[in-house]
Amino acid sequence: QSALTQPRSVSGSPGQSVTISCTGTSNDVGGFDYVSWYQQHPGKAPKLIIYDVSDRPSGVPDRFSGSKSGNTASLTISGLQAEDEADYYCCSYAGTYRVFGAGTKVTVL
Amino acid sequence: EVQLVESGGGLVQPGGSLRLSCAASGFTFSSYRMNWVRQAPGKGLEWVSYISSSSSTIYYADSVKGRFTISRDSAKNSLYLQMNSLRVEDTAVYYCARDLGRIGVSGRGFLHWGQGTLVTVSS
Repeated sequence: QSALTQPRSVSGSPGQSVTISCTGTSNDVGGFDYVSWYQQHPGKAPKLIIYDVSDRPSGVPDRFSGSKSGNTASLTISGLQAEDEADYYCCSYAGTYRVFGAGTKVTVL
Repeated sequence: EVQLVESGGGLVQPGGSLRLSCAASGFTFSSYRMNWVRQAPGKGLEWVSYISSSSSTIYYADSVKGRFTISRDSAKNSLYLQMNSLRVEDTAVYYCARDLGRIGVSGRGFLHWGQGTLVTVSS
């Protein structure tokens, strides 16, 4: 049950795109199409922004998109906005457990 | 509106016990799979435990297996986490989180979260 690997931080200017990677193994990310992504602002509960690798819950802007190739999933934020500055976590289904990534801090320059 | 409200957190000594509760409203609690997720101060999210809608299937993270027990009471629309043999490293905000869907594969995503309850394990 090792944590998924994410970059510690990424940054971009308003309007730019940033991509966060999430690397696991064939036992989690690579084995199932059930990767989810969460946005967390300081002091707040996490918010689901992507599920099933690339689907968005109702109300989540289409600036957020997800994809997966092999054991690595990715979250792309297009048209970066100030309110996107937050921590982002990936999570994968792995049968009898679920595993999160260590988190990535997105900074809007 | 879906609401999840955790309670029961507090300060406890190493080796002690604590029982967390999560009161659910705004949806048919008995139909949904539920989870506990925790976050140590300044750290990332860690999945702790899962319980199916009927309580027939339960999973735990290796870090809490044998010490924590998840349960639910549909009559009270409540989820619980009994935590025994607590360790300093169990210090965290504990969130209850509802699965995305009622049917199909669980673990596709945690759509609804509570505000969390802080558990501090210290002497």
